[in-house]
Amino acid sequence: GQQVMQIPQYQHVQEGEDFTTYCNSSTTLSNIQWYKQRPGGHPVFLIQLVKSGEVKKQKRLTFQFGEAKKNSSLHITATQTTDVGTYFCAGRGYGGSQGNLIFGKGTKLSVKP
Amino acid sequence: NAGVTQTPKFQVLKTGQSMTLQCAQDMNHNSMYWYRQDPGMGLRLIYYSASEGTTDKGEVPNGYNVSRLNKREFSLRLESAAPSQTSVYFCASSDGDGYTFGSGTRLTVV
Repeated sequence: GQQVMQIPQYQHVQEGEDFTTYCNSSTTLSNIQWYKQRPGGHPVFLIQLVKSGEVKKQKRLTFQFGEAKKNSSLHITATQTTDVGTYFCAGRGYGGSQGNLIFGKGTKLSVKP
Repeated sequence: NAGVTQTPKFQVLKTGQSMTLQCAQDMNHNSMYWYRQDPGMGLRLIYYSASEGTTDKGEVPNGYNVSRLNKREFSLRLESAAPSQTSVYFCASSDGDGYTFGSGTRLTVV
């Protein structure tokens, strides 16, 4: 079945450093979504990418969708302590049960002040 | 505008007990979902309802049942709880784009 792999599992950075998490799917995706979960909280939707090669920015966050629509990345420039949390990618396949989101296991980001 | 509301927030069950987790959304979304989240395992889909009147199994449905009571409400039932069902349970709803999650139910089965 469809699998979504996410690396790294953990990332510790100094405040001000950049951070990147990568997501790879075993199958071609119709779209990919990114979520952030703060410690003790629930996942919060950040963005959806649909087009091959798409790049979207939200302030210091840059999201990319690969040309083959099988991989994606989230890059945070100059991390802040408010960026702490776990970042999940979630891929959606094509049709039927494959149309459900499959979540990666997440990258847990810690930021040292 | 409450979004997705889950009850209870915390629950401790003894092995073999039953309980129902409640979920309601006020965004008029067609699709609703139940996920469980375990350390290092990410979010795994238990059951989903693409629209009112339909339900389907997800990745880990064993030991659970669901009811889509109406468009707003989607409940998850554990008929005979087992320690392996200790987890954090999230309900979510969607109109086809991003999912809106509830605040979760932290369930411990002893």
